[in-house]
Amino acid sequence: QVQLVESGGGVVQPGGSLKLSCVGSGFSFSGFGMHWVRQAPGKGLEWVALLWYDGSSKYYADSVKGRFTISRDNFKSTLSLQMNSLRAEDTAVYYCARDSGGGYCSGNNCPMDVWGKGTTVIVSS
Amino acid sequence: EIVMTQSPATLSVSPGERATLSCRASQSVSNNLAWYQQKPGQAPRLLIYGASTRATGIPARFSGSASGTDFTLTISSLQSEDFALYYCQQYVTWPRTFGPGTTVDIK
Repeated sequence: QVQLVESGGGVVQPGGSLKLSCVGSGFSFSGFGMHWVRQAPGKGLEWVALLWYDGSSKYYADSVKGRFTISRDNFKSTLSLQMNSLRAEDTAVYYCARDSGGGYCSGNNCPMDVWGKGTTVIVSS
Repeated sequence: EIVMTQSPATLSVSPGERATLSCRASQSVSNNLAWYQQKPGQAPRLLIYGASTRATGIPARFSGSASGTDFTLTISSLQSEDFALYYCQQYVTWPRTFGPGTTVDIK
């Protein structure tokens, strides 16, 4: 079945770095844009970044721009998020999500139709 | 940035009753509006896209509508599994933005 599995979360000190991964299965990973979305404890959803299916375009939330880098390896069906200069406010569950594509979209505007279970990042000294 | 607002923050409903959730965009998103359901400890699930189209596998008791920048999610007859948190999200511009959510709990 279609599945996304995140990994790489953990506890890191402020100013530190962490790399998250998300492996997709059950679908043609290389054909879909992929997002990272995070959720701080007890808070709502915050979109973090998107990378197009072929890696040609990427978008970031202002809150992470210049600190986080989204990338992908389509041969390994893997999405990554390199997080540098981490701050306490980056503490959250990080989800990867698929940009739905196809009939769900209006042009290049698509909702997120498949989500992973998330990986937890805690930034604390 | 398009700001999404949702009301009410919490909606208390009895099983079998109708629930109406509202979402408003600070500017036009056309129909590029999705609704997601999230249960405690779980990832969000796409319910509605294009403001009014149910995603695959979503029961017919969930419906969405739009009027300008105002959007509504209606759950016609609440089942026990529908008590959850609901988010709206616009996907027309960057950054993608979510509303703060509406919690539907048992009255």
